[in-house]
Amino acid sequence: SSELTQDPAVSVALGQTVTITCQGDSLRIYYANWYQQRPGQAPLLLIYGKNNRPSGIPDRFSGSSSGNTAALTITGAQAEDEADYYCNSRDINNHHMFGGGTKLTVL
Amino acid sequence: QVTLKESGPVLVKPTETLMLTCTVSGFSLINPNMGVSWIRQPPGKALEWLGNIFSNDEKSYSTSLKNSVAISRDTSKSQVVLTMTNVDPVDTATYFCARIVRLVGATFYSDYWGQGSLVTVSS
Repeated sequence: SSELTQDPAVSVALGQTVTITCQGDSLRIYYANWYQQRPGQAPLLLIYGKNNRPSGIPDRFSGSSSGNTAALTITGAQAEDEADYYCNSRDINNHHMFGGGTKLTVL
Repeated sequence: QVTLKESGPVLVKPTETLMLTCTVSGFSLINPNMGVSWIRQPPGKALEWLGNIFSNDEKSYSTSLKNSVAISRDTSKSQVVLTMTNVDPVDTATYFCARIVRLVGATFYSDYWGQGSLVTVSS
């Protein structure tokens, strides 16, 4: 199927580690990209491919994948990491898709 | 410096046709490894991919919107145009264009995004 599923909301204590997951059949074949979106802003690319960070993205953000699940891990969450996070991938017909988004709260 | 900027109407009536333009700078629309995506986001909701266009004029569209969405480009103006026919109030959203980079092995990503353009569909 051409769908990506994310938990709607996740919380983490300041300084702790949190993992946000994304599930979908297409992830068995294709990598997921991860974006951060703060209110009123355009999405920001955090992770692409196997586990690549664009220039300027802190190394506390990392990506991984296993089977039909991709994961974004934030090691040592900061207050500014409170945002919505979206996974993104494609299917075999080159149709792209986004997950439903995960709202991260930093406590 | 790579930039993308969406422009178009703020308000559109139901059943009308919406045309949004994405003007790009800092990269070429004829670069074989790059293209432009259109993505939208209804207020308070998730991102939704609408379609892509690449340098060889290769296009792909969302299955659910395939019959109402078209993407074209004018390389001389560095512009990509999204056309959506027969709009409905459910099409009210912020519309983003983004540069898409395509790598070997089917890896791709959107690294630069426009600021977004809020379009309201209402009579």
